[in-house]
Amino acid sequence: GENVEQHPSTLSVQEGDSAVIKCTYSDSASNYFPWYKQELGKGPQLIIDIRSNVGEKKDQRIAVTLNKTAKHFSLHITETQPEDSAVYFCAASRRGGSEKLVFGKGTKLTVNP
Amino acid sequence: DTEVTQTPKHLVMGMTNKKSLKCEQHMGHRAMYWYKQKAKKPPELMFVYSYEKLSINESVPSRFSPECPNSSLLNLHLHALQPEDSALYLCASSQDSRQGVPYEQYFGPGTRLTVT
Repeated sequence: GENVEQHPSTLSVQEGDSAVIKCTYSDSASNYFPWYKQELGKGPQLIIDIRSNVGEKKDQRIAVTLNKTAKHFSLHITETQPEDSAVYFCAASRRGGSEKLVFGKGTKLTVNP
Repeated sequence: DTEVTQTPKHLVMGMTNKKSLKCEQHMGHRAMYWYKQKAKKPPELMFVYSYEKLSINESVPSRFSPECPNSSLLNLHLHALQPEDSALYLCASSQDSRQGVPYEQYFGPGTRLTVT
């Protein structure tokens, strides 16, 4: 089955710096890669996703890149703010929707003011 | 609107109790999910319903019993749980992907369950 590795497990940056979180996946049939932000005491919030027919996607300060050949994808957050502090999870799925999402172990991001 | 609601927010139950968790969405989604999340771990899939039919059961013990009474509601019935079942139980929903098009899963806030 699918296995998703996520690095780093913790990341601390200064406000205004950029943050990068990387994930690798094992199943070449995976074609949907969402990123979730989870704040303490809340459910995961979908922040951006990318499908296998696209190499890069950007939404304001957040961008995701996908390298299908190397089977890795990354989350880039620019101009970080204290409210970006949370746990971020990457995930992979064969079809998305009602197929199984396999999550990475998470990255705890701390943005220091 | 991408809201999934869950009740209750917190639940404490004894090992002999029977309780139910409820989830509701009004986005017209036809796929609904239950996940279990232990502290400092990622969500783990338990069940998937597609068009009100159970499509995936990740070998979950029978003390957890899901139910999908209609396309907007999802229940998780709990009976004879163990202390190790204490966790955050998350509900999610998405459009169904029968045509192979990936769709976003939206999560609710979760129910924090403590089994004593």
